[in-house]
Amino acid sequence: EAGVTQFPSHSVIEKGQTVTLRCDPISGHDNLYWYRRVMGKEIKFLLHFVKESKQDESGMPNNRFLAERTGGTYSTLKVQPAELEDSGVYFCASSQEHRMGETQYFGPGTRLLVL
Amino acid sequence: AQSVTQLGSHVSVSEGALVLLRCNYSSSVPPYLFWYVQYPNQGLQLLLKYTTGATLVKGINGFEAEFKKSETSFHLTKPSAHMSDAAEYFCAVSVHNFGNEKLTFGTGTRLTIIP
Repeated sequence: EAGVTQFPSHSVIEKGQTVTLRCDPISGHDNLYWYRRVMGKEIKFLLHFVKESKQDESGMPNNRFLAERTGGTYSTLKVQPAELEDSGVYFCASSQEHRMGETQYFGPGTRLLVL
Repeated sequence: AQSVTQLGSHVSVSEGALVLLRCNYSSSVPPYLFWYVQYPNQGLQLLLKYTTGATLVKGINGFEAEFKKSETSFHLTKPSAHMSDAAEYFCAVSVHNFGNEKLTFGTGTRLTIIP
C-alpha cells in the first residue's frame, strides 16, 4: 500500500510568486491534515479535511493560504502571494477514521524556500 | 488548549547507552500521546502511542514510553542506542474533539549517537 505522497519535494520561489503544494493521502483515508514547520520551531497544525469538507482551518496563518481537497481525494495548498515567512516544511498527514487516538500517517514533506 | 514541552533540543548518547528523551504535556482533558521519528530526508514515522489502558507502551525499534499522569510526562526510552537511532524525535498530543484530532507537537529533539 502506498503511503502519503507530497509534491514537490522542494520548491524555491521568489517573494510575491505563487506556489501550489499537493498531497495524495493513503487510499481510503477520509481525514487529511496539513501541518507546517518553520525552521527551528515546532510542527504546527494548519487545517483538517474530512473528505472534501474543511473540518477545522483554525491554524491557517492568513488569507494568502488556500487549501482544497477535490472530490475528497488529493489536496492542494496554495500560497499566493508568498512571503519570506512562509518558508518551511509543509507536511501532509492522513488517517482513516474518527477513532480516538487514530494514527496519522505523514508524507515526506515539501520544503519551501521563499527568497 | 494542549501544549508539549521537549526538554533538550539536542541529545547525544554513546552507542549502547540508554536513550532518554523527555516530554511533558499540558492538557485539560485526557490526552492521547504520540512519539514520531524523522530520519534524514524522510517523513515522520510513528514510533508509539498511548490512548488508553496500559501506561507503558512499547513501540518499534526497541523504544518504549510510559504515560505518567501525575507527572504529566511521556518520556521515551531505549535501553541500548544504535547508530541507526540517529534522527529527530517529536512528542505530540491530541484530544478527541468531534472528529478532529489535530496534533500539537513539541519542538523536537535531535538525537546523535556517538560511536
